[in-house]
Amino acid sequence: EPEVTQTPSHQVTQMGQEVILRCVPISNHLYFYWYRQILGQKVEFLVSFYNNEISEKSEIFDDQFSVERPDGSNFTLKIRSTKLEDSAMYFCASSPRRGTYTDTQYFGPGTRLTVL
Amino acid sequence: QKEVEQNSGPLSVPEGAIASLNCTYSDRGSQSFFWYRQYSGKSPELIMSIYSNGDKEDGRFTAQLNKASQYVSLLIRDSQPSDSATYLCAVNGAGGGADGLTFGKGTHLIIQP
Repeated sequence: EPEVTQTPSHQVTQMGQEVILRCVPISNHLYFYWYRQILGQKVEFLVSFYNNEISEKSEIFDDQFSVERPDGSNFTLKIRSTKLEDSAMYFCASSPRRGTYTDTQYFGPGTRLTVL
Repeated sequence: QKEVEQNSGPLSVPEGAIASLNCTYSDRGSQSFFWYRQYSGKSPELIMSIYSNGDKEDGRFTAQLNKASQYVSLLIRDSQPSDSATYLCAVNGAGGGADGLTFGKGTHLIIQP
């Protein structure tokens, strides 16, 4: 069964450094998402991406964040200058189509980001 | 501001019994409703989706939706120890496939052998 994959599984970085989190969505899916989950807290939506542009973003997704689909398979989240509060699990998700209702979003295993 | 509320638990249920999980949401325009299961340190895994008022059954799981009351529930029949996890209710608006989900904090379910 096709799965969303994410690399790396764990990233440790120093405050102020740039990090890029990578995702390979399910191959025939058209919609891509990033979410984060701070330890002990709820899963929070960051951004959705369709047709090579951002479709929706939350208040969390400020100028420090950017997303890109550099080729036909990868979907990346870049944090330009990491802060301590960016430490969280970051999940990539994808869904196959747009219809009357939101289609199911399938989540990858996550990247745990630790900012020191 | 969209809100999704769940009792954080823990909810303790004996093995073989029915576990009942509840969720309320604030945005009356919400159209799509999902239950995800999350084991500690892992990613959310879809259990069920529901879009219309009423019940939807899939194996041991039944989702119930009442849009008038802005209420979603999940029933797990014949609970197994492997069902012990945090159950996340997620809701989406009317925008279609690209909208982000709004999650509740989750209910921690413990199935006692």
